[in-house]
Amino acid sequence: QFQLQESGPGLVKPSETLSLTCTVSGGSISSSNYYWAWIRQPPGKGLEWIGSIYYSGSTYYNPSLKSRVTISVDTSKNQFSLKLSSVTAADTAVYFCARQGRRPGDEYFQHWGQGALVTVSS
Amino acid sequence: EIVMTQSPATLSVSPGERATLSCRASQYISSNLAWYQQKPGQAPRLLIYGASTRATGIPASFSGSGSGTEFTLTISSLQSEDFAIYYCQQYHNWPLYTFGQGTKLEIK
Repeated sequence: QFQLQESGPGLVKPSETLSLTCTVSGGSISSSNYYWAWIRQPPGKGLEWIGSIYYSGSTYYNPSLKSRVTISVDTSKNQFSLKLSSVTAADTAVYFCARQGRRPGDEYFQHWGQGALVTVSS
Repeated sequence: EIVMTQSPATLSVSPGERATLSCRASQYISSNLAWYQQKPGQAPRLLIYGASTRATGIPASFSGSGSGTEFTLTISSLQSEDFAIYYCQQYHNWPLYTFGQGTKLEIK
């Protein structure tokens, strides 16, 4: 069945770059019907959309994070990735990858990965 | 940015009773609203999209209503597994998607 799985280091030092990968299984990342998104949740807090990517490589970022975020896609591996630079303790969060509808009116987050906790600490 | 405000922050309801959760958008969002359920240690799960359409596999005890700026999630006859945190999310303002701060539904 369709699944998303986050992977990457669970501990990142302040000022360094956070890197996570989401592997898609049970479906193709090259589908024209979907965006692929990253969303984060600081411990005990709410959800924040980070950005989304289409399989062609078109990206859309939250303006509050845009200067530090890069999302990329590797269709050959059915994966997409997140890089967040110059991290601080405020970036400590569970990071989720998700599949998002692409058509107008379908842009909700249909399926989510289980999440990956990333702690920023020296 | 469209701000989503959920109320109440915490709702205490007895099993078997009905729960009504509210979500308000700071601007018009038509019916471009989704509801998610999140249990501790788990990812959010899509419950409702288009303000009122249940996602695949979601029981009929969950219903959504509203359009414009005011929305409601109703859970009839609460079961033990329904106690969780619920988030609303707007997807009208492409591409800046925003969530409400959540309503914690707890057992009374």
